[in-house]
Amino acid sequence: DTAVSQTPKYLVTQMGNDKSIKCEQNLGHDTMYWYKQDSKKFLKIMFSYNNKELIINETVPNRFSPKSPDKAHLNLHINSLELGDSAVYFCASSQSHRGSGYTFGSGTRLTVV
Amino acid sequence: SQQGEEDPQALSIQEGENATMNCSYKTSINNLQWYRQNSGRGLVHLILIRSNEREKHSGRLRVTLDTSKKSSSLLITASRAADTASYFCATDQSGAGSYQLTFGKGTKLSVIP
Repeated sequence: DTAVSQTPKYLVTQMGNDKSIKCEQNLGHDTMYWYKQDSKKFLKIMFSYNNKELIINETVPNRFSPKSPDKAHLNLHINSLELGDSAVYFCASSQSHRGSGYTFGSGTRLTVV
Repeated sequence: SQQGEEDPQALSIQEGENATMNCSYKTSINNLQWYRQNSGRGLVHLILIRSNEREKHSGRLRVTLDTSKKSSSLLITASRAADTASYFCATDQSGAGSYQLTFGKGTKLSVIP
């Protein structure tokens, strides 16, 4: 019973392509997130959704578009992929109230060639 | 923007020894959390300490928080080879209406059997 599941785990694609990463959580959490981890292991928040509503949208190229069809799903679509998009992308979820930790997915390693 | 800074960046110890990692941050926080990341995996929530708490224990983990110095430490006692991982501190500095964690760059811990 995976709590936060992301697919695919690995994604290798050419520059200029469009790709999507899917995320689903079965914890009943009301908030979901996308984080990007670079090659130096630095984690940076990209987006946060609370009950399907966009709450946080950090400075991310508009080639990245999150979509939340319901509060259990938060997908990430990336247009016109660039070499610099290569990273590990993590989905996470939590309850919105303070005092709750995040539950992370296992990550999607995106390699743009 | 990056909030937490872990110190040291890397730590290598013998099995059975204690491991201490430190985290410093810049602005006031609601709480501070520690996460573990095994190689190629997602982050796992370890412990949360609120801004009005000074110390917290969970099994072999002990976390302290000094809000006057804007710093926290994570102590792992009687380390095991399985503790080998990267450890991240994350701070909740968000205002009302949002809940967002900002992660540091992590400490890579190696426990030698």
